[in-house]
Amino acid sequence: SAVISQKPSRDICQRGTSLTIQCQVDSQVTMMFWYRQQPGQSLTLIATANQGSEATYESGFVIDKFPISRPNLTFSTLTVSNMSPEDSSIYLCSVDIRVTAGGPMETQYFGPGTRLLVL
Amino acid sequence: DQQVKQNSPSLSVQEGRISILNCDYTNSMFDYFLWYKKYPAEGPTFLISISSIKDKNEDGRFTVFLNKSAKHLSLHIVPSQPGDSAVYFCAASLDRDDKIIFGKGTRLHILP
Repeated sequence: SAVISQKPSRDICQRGTSLTIQCQVDSQVTMMFWYRQQPGQSLTLIATANQGSEATYESGFVIDKFPISRPNLTFSTLTVSNMSPEDSSIYLCSVDIRVTAGGPMETQYFGPGTRLLVL
Repeated sequence: DQQVKQNSPSLSVQEGRISILNCDYTNSMFDYFLWYKKYPAEGPTFLISISSIKDKNEDGRFTVFLNKSAKHLSLHIVPSQPGDSAVYFCAASLDRDDKIIFGKGTRLHILP
């Protein structure tokens, strides 16, 4: 299993400012992802955080708006830049863990989330 | 304590047959349920959802059934296709704006 922590757990920010969210995992993992859950919508993948190289962004998300760092196999940050009220969401970090009980399988662990409100 | 449980880690189904993935939950306050599909080395993608006011939601080959009294939901895929081979996550939340809690996943193998 994996224990994932995120900081901050919640924040209220002013329009035009930036917020960096940290994700820490208690074990080394290869795959780390950042998701957004906007009010009334389901989870949306923002990007895959790659260790040692630039993140891979999904359609509709760009590096200038959501810069991501992945300095090692246990840590990543997501910055929400130049925020607007539309960025108010829950942001989640997640990791892929390969488990071998009952056969190799990848399972997904999610962090507790960061609830962001932009005024 | 797992609030969302997928007790079958894997499932194998013949191509063309029906795949049934099951999920149980413990929190009777959950109001919104979702299924996600995940391919290797990719993040999970949203598949289908259902609100607690319904007992069935259908989208093409995918149908989700909710039995609130049993705290049970299931995903039916008919007919199963090779591209359906993936890990499927059941998830739930207290409402649509709340954090989603995921099960551990079930790996579905579609056999030729």
